[in-house]
Amino acid sequence: ETGVTQSPTHLIKTRGQQVTLRCSSQSGHNTVSWYQQALGQGPQFIFQYYREEENGRGNFPPRFSGLQFPNYSSELNVNALELDDSALYLCASRQQGSNQPQHFGDGTRLSIL
Amino acid sequence: AQSVTQLGSHVSVSEGALVLLRCNYSSSVPPYLFWYVQYPNQGLQLLLKYTTGATLVKGINGFEAEFKKSETSFHLTKPSAHMSDAAEYFCAVSDQGSSGDKLTFGTGTRLAVRP
Repeated sequence: ETGVTQSPTHLIKTRGQQVTLRCSSQSGHNTVSWYQQALGQGPQFIFQYYREEENGRGNFPPRFSGLQFPNYSSELNVNALELDDSALYLCASRQQGSNQPQHFGDGTRLSIL
Repeated sequence: AQSVTQLGSHVSVSEGALVLLRCNYSSSVPPYLFWYVQYPNQGLQLLLKYTTGATLVKGINGFEAEFKKSETSFHLTKPSAHMSDAAEYFCAVSDQGSSGDKLTFGTGTRLAVRP
């Protein structure tokens, strides 16, 4: 079975720009969550999507937004990038209603100059 | 609100020695507790989880953890460290069920294993 894949693996942007990160869920998984992991820190929950609707959000401003598509792939969009947005962004997917844990991708490393 | 505290950002042990990584949690509801491992340039891999029932939980790669409600702790142990255990370890808590949704993570402990 195909795992969770994220693209791109690395990305460099400048302050004020916008960025889109992509996640392809593991086959059969209909729930996707996004996390931000700053250098030297633990991951922080950004939001979760289930059936194309936001299903919970962490303490992140509205310039962080997401989409989930009918094939359960997902995007994380960040507008007006700030230096503090530099981080590893992790996507995790699972099957809602299942007791199985979520599976994480290897992340996208975003650097803001 | 939930929180996780991991004592010791860096732990170094000799190969073959006991590994002990500490985790204390705070939760207003019965918690679901998790340990994840992260190797360089990779995502998170679940080592083990506590949901309900037996308080001693066994995971992959010889790791285990014990849930102690009275101490609000969930420390991770391994009897004998191997070089391949060198990685970053994260303790996490969720109130969303045993699947581990919407996790709150600690700041992590980097484990080094000396030959």
